[in-house]
Amino acid sequence: DIQMTQSPSSLSASVGDRVTITCRASQGISNYLAWYQQKPGKVPNLLLYAASSLQSGVPSRFSGSASGTDFTLTISSLQPEDVATYYCQKYDIAPWTFGQGTKVEV
Amino acid sequence: EVQLLESGGGLVQPGGSLRLSCAASGFTFTNYAMSWVRQAPGKGLEWVSTISGGGYGTWYADSVKGRFTVSRDNSKNTLYLQMSSLRAEDTAVYYCAKVIAVAGGFFDYWGQGTLVTVSS
Repeated sequence: DIQMTQSPSSLSASVGDRVTITCRASQGISNYLAWYQQKPGKVPNLLLYAASSLQSGVPSRFSGSASGTDFTLTISSLQPEDVATYYCQKYDIAPWTFGQGTKVEV
Repeated sequence: EVQLLESGGGLVQPGGSLRLSCAASGFTFTNYAMSWVRQAPGKGLEWVSTISGGGYGTWYADSVKGRFTVSRDNSKNTLYLQMSSLRAEDTAVYYCAKVIAVAGGFFDYWGQGTLVTVSS
């Protein structure tokens, strides 16, 4: 099975900082990669799909990119409400594996 | 408005069984695959199972294969997860999630989750 490895596992940044989270697939998954945000005590929320397509209603400071088997989630200007754990997920074929998560603190 | 409401969670002894339900509304249920995702206390998300829109395709994580069965009743807009031979490591919040297509894909809507605790 393809493994999804996120880095870092946690980070702390200041308001206004540019934040980058990486997700690496152990094999090619084309662009079948989604990103979710889970705020403390809340349900996961879809941010991006197809590696770089922004879900409706998600602020434009969130963006995604892909290079081979490496995928990146970028928050261009970190806001206090972005405190959350972020997960990547492959969805090419089963199993639809999640990364282990990246906890972002402000 | 899409709504997903899970029920059926609770405390069960190791080796026991439990059936979770997820009542869906706000979309044409039969047109979309549905999934179960779980989250152990303080841990990350783990995909558990997916069922296609018509119910003919099912997929399971290795950790639950042979113990869990996903099903759906499209006449009732309801998704189910029958869990048996439960283990302590199955303790988690179980979310149902709507898939963006009739078979596999990512999840665009999630329920609020139902807690399953496996303990003696």
